[in-house]
Amino acid sequence: GENVEQHPSTLSVQEGDSAVIKCTYSDSASNYFPWYKQELGKGPQLIIDIRSNVGEKKDQRIAVTLNKTAKHFSLHITETQPEDSAVYFCAVSRSNSGYALNFGKGTSLLVTP
Amino acid sequence: GAGVSQTPSNKVTEKGKYVELRCDPISGHTALYWYRQSLGQGPEFLIYFQGTGAADDSGLPNDRFFAVRPEGSVSTLKIQRTERGDSAVYLCASSLAGPGNTIYFGEGSWLTVV
Repeated sequence: GENVEQHPSTLSVQEGDSAVIKCTYSDSASNYFPWYKQELGKGPQLIIDIRSNVGEKKDQRIAVTLNKTAKHFSLHITETQPEDSAVYFCAVSRSNSGYALNFGKGTSLLVTP
Repeated sequence: GAGVSQTPSNKVTEKGKYVELRCDPISGHTALYWYRQSLGQGPEFLIYFQGTGAADDSGLPNDRFFAVRPEGSVSTLKIQRTERGDSAVYLCASSLAGPGNTIYFGEGSWLTVV
């Protein structure tokens, strides 16, 4: 299936700093790239997504950039807050499976006050 | 309901037993997905339904795993002859039909095989 690599696996930042998480994928036919946030004991929750015809998308403190040529995309969180602490997953649409997703292994983000 | 509902939230079973996990998707969502998440890992795709039919079951690890969605709404994931390696959180998700629609996840069913 689609190979999705996510880095770093853990990230610790001071409150107010920015956090960047990067993902690469292998299938050039993939065309949908969401990011999910998962808190302990809960299911993943979509925070932002981007489609292959767009290079960048922003929603308040969160932005995602996509480079289809290089097959990588990144999540940027600015002005981080302690409540941003969670595990973040990138995902890539499975080109051979309609709308299902393949996920990265996750990044555990800790924002310290 | 307001979101994807999964039952039970926790299940402990003995090795070799049969288990059923239920998923109630968001009303009107024709696409339904099952994922498995082990500790410290991302969700791993198992199966995807479009309506009543399994459009892609390539993620099911072996023939002990089976899922149904007989009326195109509620789905049941069935695991036969459970093994300790089956212990994980089983996540169900649903979405509207069509590429790029938001996929909404339930809280998961935590399965422990002892």
